Amino acid sequence: QQQVKQSPQSLIVQKGGISIINCAYENTAFDYFPWYQQFPGKGPALLIAIRPDVSEKKEGRFTISFNKSAKQFSLHIMDSQPGDSATYFCAAKLGGSYIPTFGRGTSLIVHP
Amino acid sequence: DTAVSQTPKYLVTQMGNDKSIKCEQNLGHDTMYWYKQDSKKFLKIMFSYNNKELIINETVPNRFSPKSPDKAHLNLHINSLELGDSAVYFCASSQYSSGTGGEKLFFGSGTQLSVL
Repeated sequence: QQQVKQSPQSLIVQKGGISIINCAYENTAFDYFPWYQQFPGKGPALLIAIRPDVSEKKEGRFTISFNKSAKQFSLHIMDSQPGDSATYFCAAKLGGSYIPTFGRGTSLIVHP
Repeated sequence: DTAVSQTPKYLVTQMGNDKSIKCEQNLGHDTMYWYKQDSKKFLKIMFSYNNKELIINETVPNRFSPKSPDKAHLNLHINSLELGDSAVYFCASSQYSSGTGGEKLFFGSGTQLSVL
């Protein structure tokens, strides 16, 4: 049972473009939505996270947009750079738990 | 000064063998985990320990046995290795982050296990 659906599976963007990765969930008990970034040969690292009481969170070129009524959230990478090429995972965590459920990941390639 | 370190980085072995992966964190976190990442990059929680006690044990074959000798270490022992065990295994630890409003996971660099 896939509790967090992530799309697209892969994404190719030109340098300077906007990368958008989408996630959807069903369980309204989720209360924390982190995004992790994973470079080849490395473990995932927390990139940015949001709680459902806000609709948007921005950190530098990375923005999470959150739509509680639609049960969807997305990661926007502005001015995408080749160094952003990585696999991105959205995740969701149930209230009372501290273990996130991960989406299946999006492989992002940013061409120079 | 690696926060979460796991060894070995690569492990190539024959079917039927027993192997162990070691993990250590120097972050002072109370909670540690083992994750399995398959060839399609799917991350699946296997075990979670809090203060040396097992708190989460997902549907994992009992050939996999975690051991936590102290709060900073969580090792994974695998008996009778099978072809399907080939994957990347990640150790992680976590703490609550007031900056993000939730738990922040810190992952090791992974152990690439290849069963031949």
